[in-house]
Amino acid sequence: DTGVSQNPRHKITKRGQNVTFRCDPISEHNRLYWYRQTLGQGPEFLTYFQNEAQLEKSRLLSDRFSAERPKGSFSTLEIQRTEQGDSAMYLCASSLPIRRLAERGETQYFGPGTRLLVL
Amino acid sequence: AQSVTQLGSHVSVSEGALVLLRCNYSSSVPPYLFWYVQYPNQGLQLLLKYTTGATLVKGINGFEAEFKKSETSFHLTKPSAHMSDAAEYFCAVTPNSGNTPLVFGKGTRLSVIA
Repeated sequence: DTGVSQNPRHKITKRGQNVTFRCDPISEHNRLYWYRQTLGQGPEFLTYFQNEAQLEKSRLLSDRFSAERPKGSFSTLEIQRTEQGDSAMYLCASSLPIRRLAERGETQYFGPGTRLLVL
Repeated sequence: AQSVTQLGSHVSVSEGALVLLRCNYSSSVPPYLFWYVQYPNQGLQLLLKYTTGATLVKGINGFEAEFKKSETSFHLTKPSAHMSDAAEYFCAVTPNSGNTPLVFGKGTRLSVIA
């Protein structure tokens, strides 16, 4: 079990540039989540996938944000025309959905995050 | 909508003292409850979770939490703090359908004084 990995770990960009982050989930995990964490706050949900399907998007995900998971494995999160307010830690998590009635409450496993700074 | 309140953005304890981090949730039905820990420059690690059954849940690193439905609380405790416990702690909930994203509190930073 190699855990969830995210690349890059740090990204500095100028306002108006596009950036793309990658998340590799734990193998065989078919759910993948993106969260954003700003200073002094808890993570806030952005979007999640089950396999290739994007099942839910939060209102935080403006039209400048797009996420994909083309083959149901890794995922990318792209931010177009970055703004200084986009500066944050972007966290990815993966999980297995509940498969048996005896199981409860899937655990989400988090990656180390990508810290974005927009100048 | 569900929400989580963590009382105290910063808690400081002496090494060996009791750790108590508070978490209250707002939900029309009891949700699933989680505590995560975040060390500097790292992702979140699950400490423990409550889904059903015994209301006192034991987790890793000597932490435990008790679900109290009447108080809508899920406070995290550890009998004796260690220097290595210094980190940010997040309480989170998800509806007990179990298949929706986590809703996090704002976090509590724990400092341990030698």
